[in-house]
Amino acid sequence: DSGVTQTPKHLITATGQRVTLRCSPRSGDLSVYWYQQSLDQGLQFLIQYYNGEERAKGNILERFSAQQFPDLHSELNLSSLELGDSALYFCASSVAGTIALATQYFGPGTRLTVL
Amino acid sequence: KNEVEQSPQNLTAQEGEFITINCSYSVGISALHWLQQHPGGGIVSLFMLSSGKKKHGRLIATINIQEKHSSLHITASHPRDSAVYICAPSYYNTDKLIFGTGTRLQVFP
Repeated sequence: DSGVTQTPKHLITATGQRVTLRCSPRSGDLSVYWYQQSLDQGLQFLIQYYNGEERAKGNILERFSAQQFPDLHSELNLSSLELGDSALYFCASSVAGTIALATQYFGPGTRLTVL
Repeated sequence: KNEVEQSPQNLTAQEGEFITINCSYSVGISALHWLQQHPGGGIVSLFMLSSGKKKHGRLIATINIQEKHSSLHITASHPRDSAVYICAPSYYNTDKLIFGTGTRLQVFP
């Protein structure tokens, strides 16, 4: 158990809908990272928050947004869902704000299926 | 062409064999992570290194910054090592991980 929790574990929804994925980092970790893993694209970095502020941005679509709250949990919002958004979404946390300085601890992931 | 190349893509081994997985990347990095993804999907960070060599139990990771190459070794492999191993460097000034396509390892008893 990494100490990072993600809810829900599974999510099935229809095209055009909006969903929210939630992540709680390990106690004491200030950074939260979001990743998408799809069959055709592999793992991709989406976005990072550090202590409430956006720190780095990757291949995140405009239909997707995220935020980190004062209690450090984070939410990833996916809207106008398309079939291609079906994927595993992982969050990870670390104590440092820089990838080079600290190990990342991954949550169990949320499997999103868009029908 | 993927910025991060891993080889081999698939690897089968008999229990007890020495395993090597290679990772090559194209530009300067600040750090490189090795991750293990279990058949159930969970991801565990095995190593984070920016130079030299690290060892944890039967796992050893090395990196050659000049050659832009890293290796993950598993000594005395065991069926529970069966997983996908993913190399993920972080390029200078980006603070983002770029992921390799992974090496699928199966270890048979």
